[in-house]
Amino acid sequence: KQEVTQIPAALSVPEGENLVLNCSFTDSAIYNLQWFRQDPGKGLTSLLLIQSSQREQTSGRLNASLDKSSGRSTLYIAASQPGDSATYLCAAKGYTGTASKLTFGTGTRLQVTL
Amino acid sequence: ETGVTQSPTHLIKTRGQQVTLRCSSQSGHNTVSWYQQALGQGPQFIFQYYREEENGRGNFPPRFSGLQFPNYSSELNVNALELDDSALYLCASSLDGSGGNNEQFFGPGTRLTVL
Repeated sequence: KQEVTQIPAALSVPEGENLVLNCSFTDSAIYNLQWFRQDPGKGLTSLLLIQSSQREQTSGRLNASLDKSSGRSTLYIAASQPGDSATYLCAAKGYTGTASKLTFGTGTRLQVTL
Repeated sequence: ETGVTQSPTHLIKTRGQQVTLRCSSQSGHNTVSWYQQALGQGPQFIFQYYREEENGRGNFPPRFSGLQFPNYSSELNVNALELDDSALYLCASSLDGSGGNNEQFFGPGTRLTVL
Protein backbone atom coordinates (compact mmCIF):
# COMPACT_ATOMS: atom_id res chain seq x y z
CA LYS A 1 0.00 0.00 0.00
CA GLN A 2 1.40 3.36 -1.07
CA GLU A 3 1.95 5.94 1.65
CA VAL A 4 2.97 9.52 0.95
CA THR A 5 4.48 11.81 3.56
CA GLN A 6 5.17 15.51 3.35
CA ILE A 7 7.59 17.40 5.52
CA PRO A 8 7.31 19.97 6.97
CA ALA A 9 3.59 20.17 7.73
CA ALA A 10 3.82 23.96 7.91
CA LEU A 11 6.40 26.54 6.93
CA SER A 12 6.66 30.30 7.31
CA VAL A 13 9.30 32.24 5.40
CA PRO A 14 9.96 35.91 4.63
CA GLU A 15 9.39 37.14 1.11
CA GLY A 16 12.29 36.54 -1.25
CA GLU A 17 13.57 33.35 0.33
CA ASN A 18 14.16 30.17 -1.64
CA LEU A 19 12.55 27.12 -0.11
CA VAL A 20 12.25 23.36 -0.51
CA LEU A 21 9.22 21.20 0.19
CA ASN A 22 9.73 17.48 0.65
CA CYS A 23 7.62 14.51 -0.35
CA SER A 24 8.42 10.85 0.27
CA PHE A 25 6.61 7.72 -0.91
CA THR A 26 6.95 4.10 0.16
CA ASP A 27 6.31 2.25 -3.13
CA SER A 28 8.70 3.19 -5.93
CA ALA A 29 6.47 1.60 -8.61
CA ILE A 30 4.84 4.89 -9.55
CA TYR A 31 3.82 6.17 -12.98
CA ASN A 32 4.24 9.82 -12.17
CA LEU A 33 4.51 12.29 -9.30
CA GLN A 34 2.47 15.46 -9.29
CA TRP A 35 2.61 18.63 -7.23
CA PHE A 36 -0.53 20.67 -6.56
CA ARG A 37 -1.36 23.94 -4.94
CA GLN A 38 -4.53 24.40 -2.91
CA ASP A 39 -5.83 27.71 -1.65
CA PRO A 40 -8.12 27.68 1.42
CA GLY A 41 -11.52 26.20 0.62
CA LYS A 42 -10.63 25.75 -3.04
CA GLY A 43 -9.84 22.88 -5.40
CA LEU A 44 -6.46 21.67 -6.64
CA THR A 45 -4.26 23.54 -9.09
CA SER A 46 -1.69 21.35 -10.82
CA LEU A 47 1.80 22.83 -10.69
CA LEU A 48 4.15 20.21 -12.07
CA LEU A 49 3.95 16.58 -13.17
CA ILE A 50 7.06 14.42 -13.39
CA GLN A 51 6.80 11.17 -15.33
CA SER A 52 8.50 8.15 -13.79
CA SER A 53 11.21 8.26 -16.48
CA GLN A 54 12.05 11.89 -15.75
CA ARG A 55 14.25 13.41 -13.06
CA GLU A 56 12.84 16.93 -12.89
CA GLN A 57 10.43 19.47 -14.28
CA THR A 58 10.55 23.25 -14.22
CA SER A 59 7.91 25.94 -14.55
CA GLY A 60 8.87 29.53 -13.87
CA ARG A 61 10.10 29.81 -10.29
CA LEU A 62 9.17 26.20 -9.54
CA ASN A 63 11.38 23.16 -9.95
CA ALA A 64 10.39 19.64 -8.96
CA SER A 65 12.70 16.66 -8.81
CA LEU A 66 12.01 12.95 -8.57
CA ASP A 67 14.22 10.15 -7.26
CA LYS A 68 12.21 6.95 -7.57
CA SER A 69 14.91 4.72 -6.11
CA SER A 70 14.91 6.62 -2.82
CA GLY A 71 11.18 7.35 -2.89
CA ARG A 72 11.59 11.12 -2.77
CA SER A 73 10.49 14.24 -4.57
CA THR A 74 11.21 17.87 -3.80
CA LEU A 75 9.53 21.08 -4.86
CA TYR A 76 11.87 24.06 -4.99
CA ILE A 77 10.34 27.54 -4.98
CA ALA A 78 12.69 30.37 -5.86
CA ALA A 79 12.30 33.95 -4.65
CA SER A 80 9.08 33.30 -2.72
CA GLN A 81 6.24 35.83 -2.83
CA PRO A 82 3.22 36.41 -0.56
CA GLY A 83 1.05 35.09 -3.39
CA ASP A 84 2.76 31.71 -2.99
CA SER A 85 1.02 31.27 0.36
CA ALA A 86 -1.09 28.12 0.08
CA THR A 87 -1.04 24.41 0.88
CA TYR A 88 1.15 22.32 -1.40
CA LEU A 89 0.25 18.68 -1.98
CA CYS A 90 2.21 15.96 -3.71
CA ALA A 91 0.57 12.87 -5.19
CA ALA A 92 2.01 9.62 -6.50
CA LYS A 93 0.19 7.83 -9.31
CA GLY A 94 -0.16 4.09 -9.10
CA TYR A 95 -2.75 1.42 -9.80
CA THR A 96 -5.29 -0.41 -7.70
CA GLY A 97 -6.44 -3.30 -9.86
CA THR A 98 -7.06 -1.71 -13.25
CA ALA A 99 -7.81 1.74 -11.83
CA SER A 100 -5.18 4.45 -11.85
CA LYS A 101 -5.24 6.42 -8.64
CA LEU A 102 -3.36 9.23 -6.96
CA THR A 103 -2.13 8.80 -3.39
CA PHE A 104 -1.76 12.18 -1.73
CA GLY A 105 0.28 13.44 1.15
CA THR A 106 -1.35 15.63 3.79
CA GLY A 107 0.34 18.74 2.44
CA THR A 108 2.70 21.50 3.51
CA ARG A 109 1.01 24.75 4.50
CA LEU A 110 3.23 27.61 3.33
CA GLN A 111 3.02 31.20 4.51
CA VAL A 112 5.20 33.83 2.90
CA THR A 113 5.38 37.00 4.96
CA LEU A 114 6.18 40.56 3.90
CA GLU B 1 -11.61 23.03 -24.64
CA THR B 2 -13.84 22.86 -21.55
CA GLY B 3 -12.23 21.81 -18.29
CA VAL B 4 -13.66 19.61 -15.56
CA THR B 5 -16.78 21.06 -13.94
CA GLN B 6 -18.64 19.99 -10.80
CA SER B 7 -22.04 20.80 -9.35
CA PRO B 8 -23.22 21.96 -6.97
CA THR B 9 -20.49 24.11 -5.46
CA HIS B 10 -21.77 23.78 -1.92
CA LEU B 11 -24.36 21.53 -0.32
CA ILE B 12 -25.79 21.15 3.17
CA LYS B 13 -27.54 17.94 4.22
CA THR B 14 -28.61 16.29 7.45
CA ARG B 15 -27.59 12.90 8.79
CA GLY B 16 -29.35 10.00 7.12
CA GLN B 17 -30.13 11.87 3.91
CA GLN B 18 -28.85 10.97 0.47
CA VAL B 19 -26.84 13.20 -1.86
CA THR B 20 -25.83 13.21 -5.53
CA LEU B 21 -22.82 15.10 -6.79
CA ARG B 22 -22.12 15.65 -10.49
CA CYS B 23 -19.01 15.92 -12.61
CA SER B 24 -18.51 16.74 -16.28
CA SER B 25 -15.23 15.45 -17.61
CA GLN B 26 -12.87 17.30 -19.86
CA SER B 27 -13.54 16.92 -23.57
CA GLY B 28 -12.00 13.73 -24.95
CA HIS B 29 -11.49 12.07 -21.55
CA ASN B 30 -12.98 8.64 -20.88
CA THR B 31 -12.14 8.15 -17.19
CA VAL B 32 -13.45 9.86 -14.06
CA SER B 33 -12.03 9.43 -10.57
CA TRP B 34 -13.60 10.68 -7.34
CA TYR B 35 -11.72 11.77 -4.23
CA GLN B 36 -12.81 12.84 -0.74
CA GLN B 37 -10.81 15.49 1.09
CA ALA B 38 -11.57 15.94 4.77
CA LEU B 39 -10.47 19.14 6.45
CA GLY B 40 -6.71 19.26 6.93
CA GLN B 41 -6.13 16.02 5.03
CA GLY B 42 -5.01 15.04 1.56
CA PRO B 43 -7.62 13.74 -0.89
CA GLN B 44 -8.50 10.04 -0.58
CA PHE B 45 -9.39 7.92 -3.61
CA ILE B 46 -13.05 6.79 -3.58
CA PHE B 47 -13.42 5.05 -6.95
CA GLN B 48 -12.83 5.34 -10.67
CA TYR B 49 -15.08 4.85 -13.68
CA TYR B 50 -13.75 3.88 -17.09
CA ARG B 51 -16.13 3.61 -20.03
CA GLU B 52 -19.18 3.47 -17.75
CA GLU B 53 -17.82 0.71 -15.48
CA GLU B 54 -16.35 0.97 -12.01
CA ASN B 55 -12.80 -0.34 -12.40
CA GLY B 56 -11.33 0.36 -8.98
CA ARG B 57 -12.31 1.39 -5.50
CA GLY B 58 -10.64 2.75 -2.42
CA ASN B 59 -11.48 2.02 1.20
CA PHE B 60 -15.02 3.41 1.18
CA PRO B 61 -18.24 1.60 2.16
CA PRO B 62 -20.91 0.55 -0.37
CA ARG B 63 -23.12 3.51 0.52
CA PHE B 64 -20.72 5.44 -1.72
CA SER B 65 -21.72 4.58 -5.27
CA GLY B 66 -21.38 6.10 -8.68
CA LEU B 67 -22.35 6.17 -12.30
CA GLN B 68 -20.69 7.17 -15.52
CA PHE B 69 -22.77 8.11 -18.55
CA PRO B 70 -22.12 7.59 -22.27
CA ASN B 71 -20.80 11.16 -22.53
CA TYR B 72 -18.34 10.23 -19.72
CA SER B 73 -19.86 12.58 -17.18
CA SER B 74 -20.28 11.04 -13.75
CA GLU B 75 -22.28 11.08 -10.53
CA LEU B 76 -21.25 10.27 -6.98
CA ASN B 77 -24.07 9.13 -4.72
CA VAL B 78 -23.80 8.86 -0.96
CA ASN B 79 -26.60 7.23 1.03
CA ALA B 80 -27.31 7.41 4.76
CA LEU B 81 -25.09 10.43 5.25
CA GLU B 82 -22.92 10.58 8.36
CA LEU B 83 -21.28 13.58 9.99
CA ASP B 84 -17.86 12.30 8.87
CA ASP B 85 -18.95 12.55 5.25
CA SER B 86 -18.53 16.31 5.51
CA ALA B 87 -15.68 17.05 3.11
CA LEU B 88 -14.63 18.51 -0.22
CA TYR B 89 -15.43 16.05 -3.00
CA LEU B 90 -13.18 16.28 -6.02
CA CYS B 91 -13.54 14.64 -9.37
CA ALA B 92 -10.76 14.22 -11.89
CA SER B 93 -10.91 13.19 -15.52
CA SER B 94 -8.23 11.57 -17.64
CA LEU B 95 -7.70 9.68 -20.87
CA ASP B 96 -6.82 6.17 -19.76
CA GLY B 97 -6.61 2.81 -21.44
CA SER B 98 -3.55 3.82 -23.42
CA GLY B 99 -0.88 3.77 -20.74
CA GLY B 100 -0.45 4.57 -17.11
CA ASN B 101 1.14 7.97 -17.19
CA ASN B 102 -1.75 10.17 -18.25
CA GLU B 103 -2.49 13.18 -16.10
CA GLN B 104 -5.69 13.50 -14.06
CA PHE B 105 -7.31 16.94 -14.35
CA PHE B 106 -9.29 18.10 -11.33
CA GLY B 107 -12.54 20.00 -11.03
CA PRO B 108 -13.13 22.75 -8.44
CA GLY B 109 -14.86 20.41 -6.01
CA THR B 110 -18.16 20.25 -4.14
CA ARG B 111 -18.16 21.19 -0.47
CA LEU B 112 -20.57 18.91 1.41
CA THR B 113 -21.60 19.71 4.97
CA VAL B 114 -23.58 17.15 6.95
CA LEU B 115 -25.40 18.45 10.03
